[in-house]
Amino acid sequence: DAEITQSPRHKITETGRQVTLACHQTWNHNNMFWYRQDLGHGLRLIHYSYGVQDTNKGEVSDGYSVSRSNTEDLPLTLESAASSQTSVYFCASSESTRPDTQYFGPGTRLTVL
Amino acid sequence: ELKVEQNPLFLSMQEGKNYTIYCNYSTTSDRLYWYRQDPGKSLESLFVLLSNGAVKQEGRLMASLDTKARLSTLHITAAVHDLSATYFCAVARVAGTYKYIFGTGTRLKVLA
Repeated sequence: DAEITQSPRHKITETGRQVTLACHQTWNHNNMFWYRQDLGHGLRLIHYSYGVQDTNKGEVSDGYSVSRSNTEDLPLTLESAASSQTSVYFCASSESTRPDTQYFGPGTRLTVL
Repeated sequence: ELKVEQNPLFLSMQEGKNYTIYCNYSTTSDRLYWYRQDPGKSLESLFVLLSNGAVKQEGRLMASLDTKARLSTLHITAAVHDLSATYFCAVARVAGTYKYIFGTGTRLKVLA
């Protein structure tokens, strides 16, 4: 069965370290997304991609970067982790055509100390 | 700016009762989504509404869309404990910069 996976599921890191969160989907979806979820803010879009070599900034992209070298993967990198980036991160994917329902991964809980 | 507001934010209700969650959005969109999230879990899709007047139903949940009023509702009929979760609506806009905005969610607790 097609799925979307994230790794690691839990991560503790220190301020200033570079961290990469992995996202892998086997749906063969062109669209992939990264969100963070914080209490009181719902889900906020960090970056998204419409296909290989395409990346776009979302509403809270500062301090994050992504790259898309193949259809299946969209890794999210925190260049220099900050305590404000402590959050739960969700990766999602969707088809290019309507309805573009998003399918979510299980999430990564990141703690920056 | 595309904004999505849900209300109520918290809802505690007795089993067997009916209630409605509201989702208002600020600009034109022709698609609206409802998702469910159980505590500590990921989000799963419930409904996709693609046109004005669209109505979808599954079990005790029914979603509807009024694009003219920029309003979607999620109606719960005869609530049961298993419906306890957080419900999110989301709105997509493709024209111009792609936006997929989630509401802040409604945390529903159904009491036995």
